[in-house]
Amino acid sequence: DQQVKQNSPSLSVQEGRISILNCDYTNSMFDYFLWYKKYPAEGPTFLISISSIKDKNEDGRFTVFLNKSAKHLSLHIVPSQPGDSAVYFCAASADTDKLIFGTGTRLQVFP
Amino acid sequence: DGGITQSPKYLFRKEGQNVTLSCEQNLNHDAMYWYRQDPGQGLRLIYYSQIVNDFQKGDIAEGYSVSREKKESFPLTVTSAQKNPTAFYLCASSIDLTSGSWTGDTQYFGPGTRLTVL
Repeated sequence: DQQVKQNSPSLSVQEGRISILNCDYTNSMFDYFLWYKKYPAEGPTFLISISSIKDKNEDGRFTVFLNKSAKHLSLHIVPSQPGDSAVYFCAASADTDKLIFGTGTRLQVFP
Repeated sequence: DGGITQSPKYLFRKEGQNVTLSCEQNLNHDAMYWYRQDPGQGLRLIYYSQIVNDFQKGDIAEGYSVSREKKESFPLTVTSAQKNPTAFYLCASSIDLTSGSWTGDTQYFGPGTRLTVL
């Protein structure tokens, strides 16, 4: 049973435009959400996180939105840059328990 | 520099052989984790350890074993019982699973080891 789902395996966006990556979850006990970015043959790097007491967290070009009623979170990257091309994983945890990861979305930013 | 190291980056083994993957961190983190990544599968948790001399099975522990004799080290052994050992293995650490702090959940990853069983 996939508790964290990223239904889009890939996304292609033009440089300078907004990239929106989506993530859905089923466990209403999740209270902490994270996004990781991963380049091929490298470990994921932490990007941004949000706790369930917030509905938005912003860090530079990256903003994460949380919609608890819809059990949905999204990562917005604006403006998108070619260096943003990578696989993005969302992850969630409940009450400081272990992280559950989604299957990832491959973002390609083209000129 | 503080960080997590995994060695080697690429590892080849013959079928039926046990192999141990190294993971070391100097971040003074209490918790450490092993994940496996396969195409289209995301990251799946193999084992995790919240404290020295203690570890718990993750979602896909069968065919793997770990030890946590030191805070900074969490080696993973892929045994011959693991049916599909060829994969990319990632080690991670976090401050403390029991801290009750949001930031305690943030995991920092090593560079990974790609294991190929021939």
